[in-house]
Amino acid sequence: GAGVSQSPRYKVAKRGQDVALRCDPISGHVSLFWYQQALGQGPEFLTYFQNEAQLDKSGLPSDRFFAERPEGSVSTLKIQRTQQEDSAVYLCASSPASSTDTQYFGPGTRLTVL
Amino acid sequence: GESVGLHLPTLSVQEGDNSIINCAYSNSASDYFIWYKQESGKGPQFIIDIRSNMDKRQGQRVTVLLNKTVKHLSLQIAATQPGDSAVYFCAETPYGGATNKLIFGTGTLLAVQP
Repeated sequence: GAGVSQSPRYKVAKRGQDVALRCDPISGHVSLFWYQQALGQGPEFLTYFQNEAQLDKSGLPSDRFFAERPEGSVSTLKIQRTQQEDSAVYLCASSPASSTDTQYFGPGTRLTVL
Repeated sequence: GESVGLHLPTLSVQEGDNSIINCAYSNSASDYFIWYKQESGKGPQFIIDIRSNMDKRQGQRVTVLLNKTVKHLSLQIAATQPGDSAVYFCAETPYGGATNKLIFGTGTLLAVQP
């Protein structure tokens, strides 16, 4: 079946621009996670949704980062007034249920801020 | 193409040899551990997992060993193939965490020589 998909795959933004990154989880998956991966490093947790509820946003680096999942399916990660340090790959993962730990990752969106 | 392997520890093996990738985890309260494989330009791909009540778990060509005494995790790959070349990350989930967020290690680049 279809896996997690993300769009766009690549995004180039000028410093100060706003960007929106989309995640389509595996159909029926309850849990959705966003991670940030800097070049040469492991992914770092940003935020977590259970259905439409954002239960953990402790990893969001600043108030310029905002995520939503209004209907409990597709999620959008928005970054306002992008800075160069926001350049990274943004990964989305989903898992079938809140108590199931296996997370399935999408291909990521590579954001480059000039 | 882009590389996720910059500045990572590297393990170079010959095709057909067995590979052992090691990981030290930090949280003694973690109860779930996962190995992910990440190829260049792709998201992490689940390989195998193990819970803290186990010492060993085997999959197809892969074995994960967990030593809770020294907080050490290893991934063994039998008969390594060129297609195994990638960055390998261990990840842990702290016990009792409400979000099941993953905490990733640094990663190891596995280079398989034909």
